[in-house]
Amino acid sequence: GIQVEQSPPDLILQEGANSTLRCNFSDSVNNLQWFHQNPWGQLINLFYIPSGTKQNGRLSATTVATERYSLLYISSSQTTDSGVYFCAVIDSGNTPLVFGKGTRLSVIA
Amino acid sequence: GAGVSQTPSNKVTEKGKYVELRCDPISGHTALYWYRQSLGQGPEFLIYFQGTGAADDSGLPNDRFFAVRPEGSVSTLKIQRTERGDSAVYLCASSSTGPPNTEAFFGQGTRLTVV
Repeated sequence: GIQVEQSPPDLILQEGANSTLRCNFSDSVNNLQWFHQNPWGQLINLFYIPSGTKQNGRLSATTVATERYSLLYISSSQTTDSGVYFCAVIDSGNTPLVFGKGTRLSVIA
Repeated sequence: GAGVSQTPSNKVTEKGKYVELRCDPISGHTALYWYRQSLGQGPEFLIYFQGTGAADDSGLPNDRFFAVRPEGSVSTLKIQRTERGDSAVYLCASSSTGPPNTEAFFGQGTRLTVV
């Protein structure tokens, strides 16, 4: 099945810093979502982005499906951005979402 | 409802017992998914329903796990003869249609602990 690799696995930022999280996938995808899992375990939808670029406040995402990667940008990070960020994809066989292992982000004041 | 609702939030059970976990999807969503998340890992797919039928159950680890969705809305994940290795957070998600062109939304999960 499709492999999803996220990097870096862990990231520590000072409040106010910017960061880029990467998601590589091993095969063609028909769908891609980014999630933020907060410290209480809730998966929060950030972006539904099978291709192109989207922005939502301090967050933006870009998926280049032909090159099999997606990037999540966080600007002016806040302590509330802490948690685990997951990338999940649906491959060309249309199986349900396959998740990466996540990037654990800690933003310190 | 406004979002995907899962009950209970936490469940502690003894090894060998039977448990049921409930998922109430977003109203009108035809697709429903169950995932399992172990500590430090990403969620892993268990089973996907389209309406009342299981469209893909390839992620169920063994025959102790079973899920139903009899009326195409609420779903129940059933685990027989629980083992300590079944301890995990069980997540449910729903989407308006089946994959691929649809966004999935997750519930808050049920944390299952088998002692």
